[in-house]
Amino acid sequence: DAGITQSPRHKVTETGTPVTLRCHQTENHRYMYWYRQDPGHGLRLIHYSYGVKDTDKGEVSDGYSVSRSKTEDFLLTLESATSSQTSVYFCAISESYPTGGSNQPQHFGDGTRLSIL
Amino acid sequence: SQQGEEDPQALSIQEGENATMSCSYKTSINNLQWYRQNSGRGLVHLILIRSNEREKHSGRLRVTLDTSKKSSSLLITASRAADTASYFCATPFKGSARQLTFGSGTQLTVLP
Repeated sequence: DAGITQSPRHKVTETGTPVTLRCHQTENHRYMYWYRQDPGHGLRLIHYSYGVKDTDKGEVSDGYSVSRSKTEDFLLTLESATSSQTSVYFCAISESYPTGGSNQPQHFGDGTRLSIL
Repeated sequence: SQQGEEDPQALSIQEGENATMSCSYKTSINNLQWYRQNSGRGLVHLILIRSNEREKHSGRLRVTLDTSKKSSSLLITASRAADTASYFCATPFKGSARQLTFGSGTQLTVLP
């Protein structure tokens, strides 16, 4: 299994509080991703990183921010959590793709189940 | 904006039978991937097929890609109870090599 650790694995918090989820990898992969998974929506990309301090928005980035100060760590922050952000959050990593090449396989952590009351 | 959509949404079969699921997508792609997700776990990459390939095998898995019909199929032969999982196809998001977009998945149940 790819060395990906998500923390915490479960969290319950209240609306309006800040929440930070952490993804740690030991594979030295360049790309890191944050997804949310909700019934009926599959996986949706929130933000991704293509290097230290290099990040970009995904499909559902509103209400989320990310940071990557080290290759191995990618943080997802909900500045002021809302009930609509109750979800299961997955981190994924992938290697760089060759120039002009296709996507690389992504390797996923086991998720963080976040409940916002 | 899901690119790939799996069909059926749910499939239940007996152990030893073959399981087939399909994925349709909307725009041209240069690769398509299949993933498995066991309950309570993250997704696991199964296979990647490129647009210049029509078929690819990995163990009991066979994936086909028909770019003219914009569809792919995943066949699992001689299913086992351990194959019970959700299966997702993933395609490049708006042609990007950096991002994938996932379908909603097929829930496969293999009965012992």
